[in-house]
Amino acid sequence: AQSVSQHNHHVILSEAASLELGCNYSYGGTVNLFWYVQYPGQHLQLLLKYFSGDPLVKGIKGFEAEFIKSKFSFNLRKPSVQWSDTAEYFCAVTVGSSNTGKLIFGQGTTLQVKP
Amino acid sequence: ETGVTQSPTHLIKTRGQQVTLRCSSQSGHNTVSWYQQALGQGPQFIFQYYREEENGRGNFPPRFSGLQFPNYSSELNVNALELDDSALYLCASSLPTGGVTEAFFGQGTRLTVV
Repeated sequence: AQSVSQHNHHVILSEAASLELGCNYSYGGTVNLFWYVQYPGQHLQLLLKYFSGDPLVKGIKGFEAEFIKSKFSFNLRKPSVQWSDTAEYFCAVTVGSSNTGKLIFGQGTTLQVKP
Repeated sequence: ETGVTQSPTHLIKTRGQQVTLRCSSQSGHNTVSWYQQALGQGPQFIFQYYREEENGRGNFPPRFSGLQFPNYSSELNVNALELDDSALYLCASSLPTGGVTEAFFGQGTRLTVV
């Protein structure tokens, strides 16, 4: 069965530090990749997505992610985090060339940014 | 705001009871997916409805069932509640257009089974 692994469960950073959150998936075929963020008390929001094309994807709020097919990875990065980035981050995939919204999520990474 | 609304926001039920959760999809979206998010875990896919028909199901027992109505709103029903059913239940709507589409999530219903 397909699965998604997020290696960092809880990350604590100071403001202005750089961020990289790891995400690996297990599926050998076509995948569509997503990063979602869940701020305290709010709904899941899409940060960025990769369907095809340039493997370096830029999202909202200065986030970016790189799809490395050979490593089955889709790591999330931000050069300089802010206190407002404190949230839960989820990597997710759908399989196949046509996304029907059946997302497979990782277990999430809690990011705490200290002011 | 995503335009996806869920009700109720919080719910407390007793083990063995039945519960119905509701989701109103974003305008024009004909596909609704339901997820269960246990504390400290990522959301897990329960099932999806497309144009009033079930269109895929995750690894959940038959006591988890659903409906989608002609206006594309949806219900999730859980019978014979167990303590482990305590979780945040998320609804997501999307509009498949033949390509890859984005799912928009509601704020969820927090179910506590005691």
